[in-house]
Amino acid sequence: NAGVTQTPKFQVLKTGQSMTLQCAQDMNHEYMSWYRQDPGMGLRLIHYSVGAGITDQGEVPNGYNVSRSTTEDFPLRLLSAAPSQTSVYFCASSSGQISETQYFGPGTRLLVL
Amino acid sequence: AQSVTQPDIHITVSEGASLELRCNYSYGATPYLFWYVQSPGQGLQLLLKYFSGDTLVQGIKGFEAEFKRSQSSFNLRKPSVHWSDAAEYFCAVGVSPGTYKYIFGTGTRLKVLA
Repeated sequence: NAGVTQTPKFQVLKTGQSMTLQCAQDMNHEYMSWYRQDPGMGLRLIHYSVGAGITDQGEVPNGYNVSRSTTEDFPLRLLSAAPSQTSVYFCASSSGQISETQYFGPGTRLLVL
Repeated sequence: AQSVTQPDIHITVSEGASLELRCNYSYGATPYLFWYVQSPGQGLQLLLKYFSGDTLVQGIKGFEAEFKRSQSSFNLRKPSVHWSDAAEYFCAVGVSPGTYKYIFGTGTRLKVLA
């Protein structure tokens, strides 16, 4: 049981490049989410999903796309990277009730030059 | 709008001293409240949560938190801090306007002096 896995661990992009941050969970969790963590800002919700085929925007969705074709995977796409997207990105999952614990992945550190 | 405020950005305590980390939330309905801890370079781990019942909740690693509805607070406490408690602590609230989501505070970084 690997929990929540994220790849890559670290990535450097040039402005304008695109990339996909991968997130997978093996706990059969319905709820998955993406956060970005910036100094002094805490964790801010980018997008979330309550099940396969259902996604919604969080606090800071601009510049990011998501889709949820399977229960296990929830990739985050940056279509045209900007320096403002330099951050640490965390994926999390939970079983589908608002009271349940979120399990976090180890994070992806992204640097956009 | 829903929000979570952690007024202390940094806190320094001596090992063995007591600890209280403050958290205030703004949410009109029944809150689902969480405390998470993040060790350096790691993801977040749940310490404890509250959504109903006894307003004093116990968590892992000897932490506890008290929900006070009248003060919109959910402060985290530990009677005796260990050096391994040095980390960043996040308070979060689960909100549900339709589908649900979580809002996190900006975090409190704890330093422990030997």
